[in-house]
Amino acid sequence: AQSVSQHNHHVILSEAASLELGCNYSYGGTVNLFWYVQYPGQHLQLLLKYFSGDPLVKGIKGFEAEFIKSKFSFNLRKPSVQWSDTAEYFCAVKKAAGNKLTFGGGTRVLVKP
Amino acid sequence: EAGVTQFPSHSVIEKGQTVTLRCDPISGHDNLYWYRRVMGKEIKFLLHFVKESKQDESGMPNNRFLAERTGGTYSTLKVQPAELEDSGVYFCASSSRLTGWGTEAFFGQGTRLTVV
Repeated sequence: AQSVSQHNHHVILSEAASLELGCNYSYGGTVNLFWYVQYPGQHLQLLLKYFSGDPLVKGIKGFEAEFIKSKFSFNLRKPSVQWSDTAEYFCAVKKAAGNKLTFGGGTRVLVKP
Repeated sequence: EAGVTQFPSHSVIEKGQTVTLRCDPISGHDNLYWYRRVMGKEIKFLLHFVKESKQDESGMPNNRFLAERTGGTYSTLKVQPAELEDSGVYFCASSSRLTGWGTEAFFGQGTRLTVV
């Protein structure tokens, strides 16, 4: 069975700092990769996704992620965070021909103003 | 366009009682999913409908959970009788007919269920 690992459970940083959240998955086949975000009191929203092509994908709100197939990783980055980026971030993986998502445990990010 | 909506947003029930959660997917989405997040754990898949048919129910924890999607529109998830370990946030998601490659799921706000 596939699994997804997010390296940090909690991250605290100041505004303007850079953010990188790690995500590794275990599945040898072709996958689709996602980062979802849940802001306080809101629903899960898609930040970005990778299906194929350029392994560096750009999402909303200045986020980007890089798919490194050899490392089974899909790390999320943002060069300069804002207080409004305070949220919980989830990495998710889906077999390319499948439907169900396998999630990592989530990372709570707190950005201090 | 309305997103995925879930009712209720919160529910507190006593152990042994019955609770029914409802999900209204995005109009036209044939795929409907239920997921659950137990406190401190990852979000886990429960089951997947394609229209009114259960495509995959491998994540359903036990026979106290019953999901239906009559008419292929909204779905309900009933827990009967509820146990303490059923507490958590239940998410619903939907995606379009194009299954597999290239699809993304849209999530509702979730229903926070507390069993006391």
